[in-house]
Amino acid sequence: LAKTTQPISMDSYEGQEVNITCSHNNIATNDYITWYQQFPSQGPRFIIQGYKTKVTNEVASLFIPADRKSSTLSLPRVSLSDTAVYYCLVGASGGSYIPTFGRGTSLIVHP
Amino acid sequence: DAGVIQSPRHEVTEMGQEVTLRCKPISGHDYLFWYRQTMMRGLELLIYFNNNVPIDDSGMPEDRFSAKMPNASFSTLKIQPSEPRDSAVYFCASSLEGAQGWETEAFFGQGTRLTVV
Repeated sequence: LAKTTQPISMDSYEGQEVNITCSHNNIATNDYITWYQQFPSQGPRFIIQGYKTKVTNEVASLFIPADRKSSTLSLPRVSLSDTAVYYCLVGASGGSYIPTFGRGTSLIVHP
Repeated sequence: DAGVIQSPRHEVTEMGQEVTLRCKPISGHDYLFWYRQTMMRGLELLIYFNNNVPIDDSGMPEDRFSAKMPNASFSTLKIQPSEPRDSAVYFCASSLEGAQGWETEAFFGQGTRLTVV
């Protein structure tokens, strides 16, 4: 399983763009990169997933450079409700995807 | 579908008692996962099933923990006897195996907050 490294915490203000970077130096060829969001007292929720280049949905964008050794989750114009823990996961290669979570990044959005 | 349903939402029990947590996965999903979350250890994978068969239980902390999946729509996680250090939030999740065996998302339940006193 590819190990991931991401900042423990981040602070931002309402209306700003937030970028959370995750390092996964030993990502395998078949691995996908997935981000989850967890609000207090709730289970994690899937945000976005990608393999290479850029993926965008209604919630976030995911930027993956050509070497795929890192990825950046971008949250445009955050609000107080984006305060949560964000997890970066890299899929197990060659088989079924077993979501394994690290400690994640605790994002606090201030007024 | 109503999503992954866990019960109870909260459980308070005395040390030494048996505790059973329940989970109903999303209909049609192939995989079911049990996780435990604490401040100290984060979100840990305890065990997972594929088509009702336990595949990997290496995350189960001790023999006091056991999990079953008698059919595709129901799973239990049992702790017997319970101890104060078992206090945590327990999550159940399910997912659908992708065409290539990966790149699918896991759907989580609301969790069961267990307190052992």
